[in-house]
Amino acid sequence: KAGVTQTPRYLIKTRGQQVTLSCSPISGHRSVSWYQQTPGQGLQFLFEYFSETQRNKGNFPGRFSGRQFSNSRSEMNVSTLELGDSALYLCASSSPTGGLRDTEAFFGQGTRLTVV
Amino acid sequence: GENVEQHPSTLSVQEGDSAVIKCTYSDSASNYFPWYKQELGKRPQLIIDIRSNVGEKKDQRIAVTLNKTAKHFSLHITETQPEDSAVYFCAASKNTGFQKLVFGTGTRLLVSP
Repeated sequence: KAGVTQTPRYLIKTRGQQVTLSCSPISGHRSVSWYQQTPGQGLQFLFEYFSETQRNKGNFPGRFSGRQFSNSRSEMNVSTLELGDSALYLCASSSPTGGLRDTEAFFGQGTRLTVV
Repeated sequence: GENVEQHPSTLSVQEGDSAVIKCTYSDSASNYFPWYKQELGKRPQLIIDIRSNVGEKKDQRIAVTLNKTAKHFSLHITETQPEDSAVYFCAASKNTGFQKLVFGTGTRLLVSP
């Protein structure tokens, strides 16, 4: 069974540009969540999608957005990039049903974004 | 708001020793507590988890304990090996039907041969 796949693995962007990151969950998983990992702030929750609906959002500015497609693949977009957006962006997929007890999260390898 | 504190930030042990990492959570509604291991340059991987209806769970050399009253949970690794060297993250979740993990700040464990 294939794991969570994130593309691209590495990105270098310039301040002010925008970027789109992609995440393909484990087959059958309908919940996809996104996290930002930095040395200073650790792992912080960005948002979570289930059946194409955003169910929860973390404390990030509106420049961070996402969406989920009918095949459960998800994308996140960051507009007007800032130097502080440099981080490892991880997505995780979980649960076939999104039910209350199905919360084991399987992480992808992440996309390392560098903003210069 | 939701917060998870994790200690220590770094932990150095000799091979064969035990290692203990402790976490405290703030939201009493939290009821799912996973532990992740992240090796350098790799993805976080779940090593053990515990739900609030259980006080302790073991899996070979790894165990997790939960004290709901004190809002503490701990990871115990016995007979440590050099391959246990990694960053360990605790997390808490309220299991409200959507996936949102609140992570601790991580513990860098170094096991010396």
